[in-house]
This record gives sequence, C-alpha cells and structure tokens, in this order.
Amino acid sequence: ILNVEQSPQSLHVQEGDSTNFTCSFPSSNFYALHWYRWETAKSPEALFVMTLNGDEKKKGRISATLNTKEGYSYLYIKGSQPEDSATYLCASHTNAGKSTFGDGTTLTVKP
Amino acid sequence: GAVVSQHPSRVICKSGTSVKIECRSLDFQATTMFWYRQFPKQSLMLMATSNEGSKATYEQGVEKDKFLINHASLTLSTLTVTSAHPEDSSFYICSARDAESGRDTQYFGPGTRLTVL
Repeated sequence: ILNVEQSPQSLHVQEGDSTNFTCSFPSSNFYALHWYRWETAKSPEALFVMTLNGDEKKKGRISATLNTKEGYSYLYIKGSQPEDSATYLCASHTNAGKSTFGDGTTLTVKP
Repeated sequence: GAVVSQHPSRVICKSGTSVKIECRSLDFQATTMFWYRQFPKQSLMLMATSNEGSKATYEQGVEKDKFLINHASLTLSTLTVTSAHPEDSSFYICSARDAESGRDTQYFGPGTRLTVL
C-alpha cells in the first residue's frame, strides 16, 4: 500500500444497523493513525488517535481497531443513528511528520 | 476540544485579484499549522506546512509564489492566493497541531470556499 485508501467510498444504512469501514495505509514509517468525522458545513472533528498495533479505542457507539503490521484500521458504528451521517476520514502520520488523508467514507443513515 | 477559526468562510473574487485566508487557533498555541485543498469528491490534499517564525514547507507541485503562507504568531497563519484564476477555485481548509494533545492531533478550521470568476 503506497497511499491511504478507504473503503467503501459511500455507505447507506438503516437506523439501528451496525456498520464498519476500512482504512488501509502504508505500514512502513508508521507513527499514528487518526480518524476524523466530518459533517457537512462543519470542521472535521478528531475521533481517535491510534498508535500501537492491536490498539482498540471506543467512544460511545463508535470504536476503532488498528493493525500496524498489515496496515489497516477498522471503524465500527454500532446501532447507527441519523446523526452519525457524515464523512469519516482517516489520516496516516509517518515518523517524518507527514500526514496523508484517505478519500473518506460517506455514511448516510436513513431513519 | 480545541477550536480553530478560519476567515472568510466564503469568498468570490475576480480573476487576477489576491485573496487572503486567515486561520486562528483560539484556545491553544499552534507552532505548526497545515493548509489543505479539497477538490470535488476527493480527499484533503496537503498544500503546505506552516511553522511559526519560519518559512513554510510546500508539498511537491504547490507553487510557493502562488500560495503565500505566513505564520507570524503562535495563533495565526495566513494563506494568500495571489493573482487568482478560476482553476484556483476550491475549498481551502487549515488545521492546527496541538502537540500537547498527544500524537499531534490536528484541529481543523471550518474551511473557506473560494470562487474565482
């Protein structure tokens, strides 16, 4: 993996469904992986900062895991709500201070 | 959490004019700020890294004479798009790094929508 890739590009789910999406990143020179939530007309908001292989972070119904050896992170949302609708960005940071963003996964939760 | 403001939120200008965008960290000091550009349906593209008191570091392909960056204080960085052309129309967003938050968390401004006629 040379770039940061997110999949799927977009996702439509019903309220109450649980969902997950993927961020793949270069595993070499890894420093940290950030997840951001970006609602329309607002600033991207930091969700998680993950650094160690095997890290698991949780905030309410949202959780994330990290595998630095194979270069991927999963973001999970349990029991999706309409207010979870947003674009979820991941960004990989290298130990040289360079950050690269993925294209994001746009989640739409239908009531 | 930390707050970053960006001004203006939207600007429309004529081709050939210059536009200045301000990025401020409101409740923390940011020695490093970043400027991004977002093209339609694409991710944030890092343009440059702005360090307080020194010259900005530009990413490959970004013209430093076209996109002037000044980081004169620990709370303010400015991006000036000089002699703007329609192809410069885009969404520009800044972020500020709060080194005390751990692993260099970035806090984003709300962005500026630039339209060049």
